[in-house]
Amino acid sequence: GQSLEQPSEVTAVEGAIVQINCTYQTSGFYGLSWYQQHDGGAPTFLSYNALDGLEETGRFSSFLSRSDSYGYLLLQELQMKDSASYFCAVNRDDKIIFGKGTRLHILP
Amino acid sequence: GAVVSQHPSWVICKSGTSVKIECRSLDFQATTMFWYRQFPKQSLMLMATSNEGSKATYEQGVEKDKFLINHASLTLSTLTVTSAHPEDSSFYICSARTSGRDEFFGPGTRLTVL
Repeated sequence: GQSLEQPSEVTAVEGAIVQINCTYQTSGFYGLSWYQQHDGGAPTFLSYNALDGLEETGRFSSFLSRSDSYGYLLLQELQMKDSASYFCAVNRDDKIIFGKGTRLHILP
Repeated sequence: GAVVSQHPSWVICKSGTSVKIECRSLDFQATTMFWYRQFPKQSLMLMATSNEGSKATYEQGVEKDKFLINHASLTLSTLTVTSAHPEDSSFYICSARTSGRDEFFGPGTRLTVL
Protein backbone atom coordinates (compact mmCIF):
# COMPACT_ATOMS: atom_id res chain seq x y z
CA GLY A 1 0.00 0.00 0.00
CA GLN A 2 0.92 3.59 0.08
CA SER A 3 0.19 6.69 2.07
CA LEU A 4 1.24 10.30 1.88
CA GLU A 5 1.18 12.61 4.86
CA GLN A 6 1.21 16.37 4.65
CA PRO A 7 -0.09 19.10 6.95
CA SER A 8 -3.71 20.01 6.41
CA GLU A 9 -3.14 23.75 6.62
CA VAL A 10 -0.27 26.23 6.62
CA THR A 11 -0.41 29.99 7.08
CA ALA A 12 2.24 32.44 5.95
CA VAL A 13 2.67 36.13 5.25
CA GLU A 14 2.85 37.71 1.83
CA GLY A 15 6.46 38.04 0.71
CA ALA A 16 7.68 35.33 3.07
CA ILE A 17 8.88 31.79 2.45
CA VAL A 18 6.89 28.69 3.31
CA GLN A 19 7.74 25.00 3.26
CA ILE A 20 5.16 22.24 2.86
CA ASN A 21 6.38 18.82 3.93
CA CYS A 22 5.33 15.44 2.65
CA THR A 23 6.26 12.00 3.94
CA TYR A 24 5.33 8.92 2.05
CA GLN A 25 5.13 5.18 2.34
CA THR A 26 4.81 3.38 -0.90
CA SER A 27 5.63 0.05 -2.44
CA GLY A 28 7.70 0.92 -5.46
CA PHE A 29 8.76 4.52 -5.76
CA TYR A 30 9.10 6.39 -9.03
CA GLY A 31 9.31 9.95 -7.82
CA LEU A 32 7.41 12.62 -5.93
CA SER A 33 5.31 15.24 -7.65
CA TRP A 34 3.66 18.42 -6.47
CA TYR A 35 0.43 19.96 -7.72
CA GLN A 36 -1.33 23.23 -7.04
CA GLN A 37 -5.10 23.54 -7.02
CA HIS A 38 -7.08 26.73 -6.61
CA ASP A 39 -10.64 26.49 -5.33
CA GLY A 40 -12.92 25.09 -8.01
CA GLY A 41 -10.05 24.59 -10.41
CA ALA A 42 -8.01 21.81 -11.88
CA PRO A 43 -4.77 20.60 -10.36
CA THR A 44 -1.76 22.01 -12.12
CA PHE A 45 1.62 20.34 -12.13
CA LEU A 46 4.37 22.17 -10.28
CA SER A 47 7.37 19.89 -10.01
CA TYR A 48 8.71 16.37 -9.99
CA ASN A 49 11.65 14.81 -8.15
CA ALA A 50 12.84 11.39 -9.17
CA LEU A 51 16.23 11.69 -7.52
CA ASP A 52 17.44 13.13 -4.23
CA GLY A 53 18.05 16.82 -4.12
CA LEU A 54 16.52 20.14 -4.91
CA GLU A 55 14.70 21.11 -8.08
CA GLU A 56 14.11 24.82 -8.64
CA THR A 57 11.53 26.40 -10.90
CA GLY A 58 11.25 30.11 -10.37
CA ARG A 59 9.80 30.89 -6.96
CA PHE A 60 9.01 27.23 -6.33
CA SER A 61 11.50 24.56 -5.34
CA SER A 62 10.99 20.92 -4.43
CA PHE A 63 13.24 18.63 -2.47
CA LEU A 64 13.40 14.87 -2.13
CA SER A 65 15.21 12.52 0.20
CA ARG A 66 14.48 8.94 -0.77
CA SER A 67 16.31 7.51 2.22
CA ASP A 68 13.99 9.45 4.51
CA SER A 69 10.87 8.99 2.34
CA TYR A 70 10.45 12.72 2.62
CA GLY A 71 10.06 15.69 0.40
CA TYR A 72 8.99 19.28 0.58
CA LEU A 73 7.77 22.10 -1.57
CA LEU A 74 9.29 25.50 -0.92
CA LEU A 75 7.52 28.63 -2.02
CA GLN A 76 9.44 31.90 -1.93
CA GLU A 77 8.34 35.52 -2.19
CA LEU A 78 4.79 34.49 -1.47
CA GLN A 79 2.05 36.26 -3.37
CA MET A 80 -1.64 36.34 -2.58
CA LYS A 81 -2.31 34.31 -5.73
CA ASP A 82 -0.36 31.45 -4.16
CA SER A 83 -3.28 30.86 -1.82
CA ALA A 84 -4.36 27.39 -2.87
CA SER A 85 -4.14 23.74 -1.95
CA TYR A 86 -0.93 21.88 -2.62
CA PHE A 87 -0.79 18.13 -3.10
CA CYS A 88 2.17 15.83 -3.08
CA ALA A 89 1.71 12.72 -5.17
CA VAL A 90 3.43 9.49 -6.13
CA ASN A 91 3.03 7.14 -9.04
CA ARG A 92 1.81 3.63 -8.34
CA ASP A 93 0.90 1.06 -10.95
CA ASP A 94 0.99 3.76 -13.60
CA LYS A 95 -1.49 5.92 -11.70
CA ILE A 96 -1.15 9.10 -9.67
CA ILE A 97 -1.90 8.79 -5.97
CA PHE A 98 -2.45 12.14 -4.27
CA GLY A 99 -1.83 13.16 -0.69
CA LYS A 100 -4.63 14.79 1.23
CA GLY A 101 -3.43 18.25 0.40
CA THR A 102 -2.21 21.28 2.31
CA ARG A 103 -4.30 24.40 2.30
CA LEU A 104 -2.00 27.43 2.15
CA HIS A 105 -3.40 30.63 3.63
CA ILE A 106 -1.51 33.83 2.91
CA LEU A 107 -1.91 36.89 5.07
CA PRO A 108 -1.33 40.38 3.67
CA GLY B 1 1.00 22.78 -23.04
CA ALA B 2 -1.63 20.16 -23.73
CA VAL B 3 -5.23 21.19 -23.10
CA VAL B 4 -7.99 19.06 -21.63
CA SER B 5 -11.56 20.27 -21.53
CA GLN B 6 -14.61 19.07 -19.64
CA HIS B 7 -18.25 19.64 -20.31
CA PRO B 8 -20.32 20.70 -18.58
CA SER B 9 -18.42 22.75 -16.04
CA TRP B 10 -21.30 22.39 -13.62
CA VAL B 11 -24.59 20.55 -13.57
CA ILE B 12 -27.54 20.33 -11.22
CA CYS B 13 -29.86 17.38 -11.52
CA LYS B 14 -32.68 15.69 -9.68
CA SER B 15 -32.14 12.55 -7.69
CA GLY B 16 -32.60 9.46 -9.81
CA THR B 17 -31.56 10.99 -13.09
CA SER B 18 -28.38 10.28 -15.06
CA VAL B 19 -25.71 12.78 -15.93
CA LYS B 20 -23.03 12.53 -18.60
CA ILE B 21 -19.72 14.35 -18.32
CA GLU B 22 -17.37 14.67 -21.28
CA CYS B 23 -13.60 14.88 -21.19
CA ARG B 24 -11.72 15.90 -24.31
CA SER B 25 -8.06 16.23 -25.14
CA LEU B 26 -8.06 19.21 -27.48
CA ASP B 27 -4.63 19.16 -29.07
CA PHE B 28 -3.33 15.66 -28.54
CA GLN B 29 -4.44 12.07 -28.66
CA ALA B 30 -4.85 10.28 -25.37
CA THR B 31 -4.99 6.52 -25.27
CA THR B 32 -5.45 6.73 -21.52
CA MET B 33 -7.68 9.04 -19.53
CA PHE B 34 -8.42 9.04 -15.83
CA TRP B 35 -11.47 10.03 -13.82
CA TYR B 36 -11.18 11.43 -10.32
CA ARG B 37 -13.67 12.53 -7.71
CA GLN B 38 -13.00 15.21 -5.16
CA PHE B 39 -15.21 16.04 -2.20
CA PRO B 40 -14.91 19.49 -0.59
CA LYS B 41 -11.58 20.09 1.12
CA GLN B 42 -10.44 16.58 0.31
CA SER B 43 -7.98 15.00 -2.04
CA LEU B 44 -8.51 13.72 -5.56
CA MET B 45 -9.50 10.09 -5.49
CA LEU B 46 -8.97 8.05 -8.62
CA MET B 47 -12.18 6.38 -9.74
CA ALA B 48 -11.15 4.63 -12.91
CA THR B 49 -8.69 4.41 -15.75
CA SER B 50 -10.19 4.73 -19.19
CA ASN B 51 -8.40 3.16 -22.14
CA GLU B 52 -9.43 3.87 -25.70
CA GLY B 53 -11.26 0.97 -27.24
CA SER B 54 -11.40 -1.17 -24.13
CA LYS B 55 -13.26 -1.41 -20.87
CA ALA B 56 -12.37 0.93 -18.07
CA THR B 57 -10.52 -0.29 -15.04
CA TYR B 58 -12.23 0.75 -11.83
CA GLU B 59 -10.61 1.36 -8.47
CA GLN B 60 -11.68 -0.69 -5.52
CA GLY B 61 -14.98 0.50 -4.09
CA VAL B 62 -16.15 2.30 -7.23
CA GLU B 63 -19.35 0.85 -8.69
CA LYS B 64 -18.83 0.27 -12.39
CA ASP B 65 -22.56 -0.01 -13.03
CA LYS B 66 -23.16 3.35 -11.46
CA PHE B 67 -20.27 5.21 -13.04
CA LEU B 68 -20.26 4.24 -16.70
CA ILE B 69 -17.14 5.15 -18.63
CA ASN B 70 -16.80 5.15 -22.39
CA HIS B 71 -13.58 5.99 -24.23
CA ALA B 72 -14.71 5.73 -27.81
CA SER B 73 -12.02 7.81 -29.42
CA LEU B 74 -8.49 9.01 -28.76
CA THR B 75 -9.75 12.44 -27.76
CA LEU B 76 -12.95 11.75 -25.85
CA SER B 77 -13.93 9.91 -22.70
CA THR B 78 -17.30 10.17 -21.02
CA LEU B 79 -18.42 9.47 -17.48
CA THR B 80 -22.10 8.83 -16.88
CA VAL B 81 -23.37 8.95 -13.34
CA THR B 82 -26.46 6.78 -13.41
CA SER B 83 -29.37 7.20 -11.02
CA ALA B 84 -27.58 10.00 -9.25
CA HIS B 85 -28.20 10.63 -5.58
CA PRO B 86 -27.22 13.53 -3.34
CA GLU B 87 -24.20 11.62 -2.06
CA ASP B 88 -22.85 11.62 -5.62
CA SER B 89 -22.58 15.40 -5.49
CA SER B 90 -18.92 16.12 -5.97
CA PHE B 91 -16.28 17.65 -8.18
CA TYR B 92 -15.40 15.27 -11.01
CA ILE B 93 -12.06 15.78 -12.71
CA CYS B 94 -10.61 13.98 -15.69
CA SER B 95 -7.06 13.82 -16.91
CA ALA B 96 -5.50 12.69 -20.15
CA ARG B 97 -2.11 11.18 -20.72
CA THR B 98 0.07 12.15 -23.65
CA SER B 99 2.27 9.79 -25.62
CA GLY B 100 5.13 11.13 -23.53
CA ARG B 101 3.22 9.95 -20.46
CA ASP B 102 2.62 13.42 -19.09
CA GLU B 103 -0.80 13.80 -17.52
CA PHE B 104 -2.92 16.91 -17.93
CA PHE B 105 -6.06 17.67 -15.98
CA GLY B 106 -9.38 19.02 -17.10
CA PRO B 107 -11.01 21.95 -15.31
CA GLY B 108 -13.49 19.73 -13.51
CA THR B 109 -17.27 19.36 -13.41
CA ARG B 110 -19.23 20.33 -10.34
CA LEU B 111 -22.18 17.94 -9.93
CA THR B 112 -24.99 18.79 -7.54
CA VAL B 113 -27.76 16.27 -7.08
CA LEU B 114 -30.90 17.59 -5.45
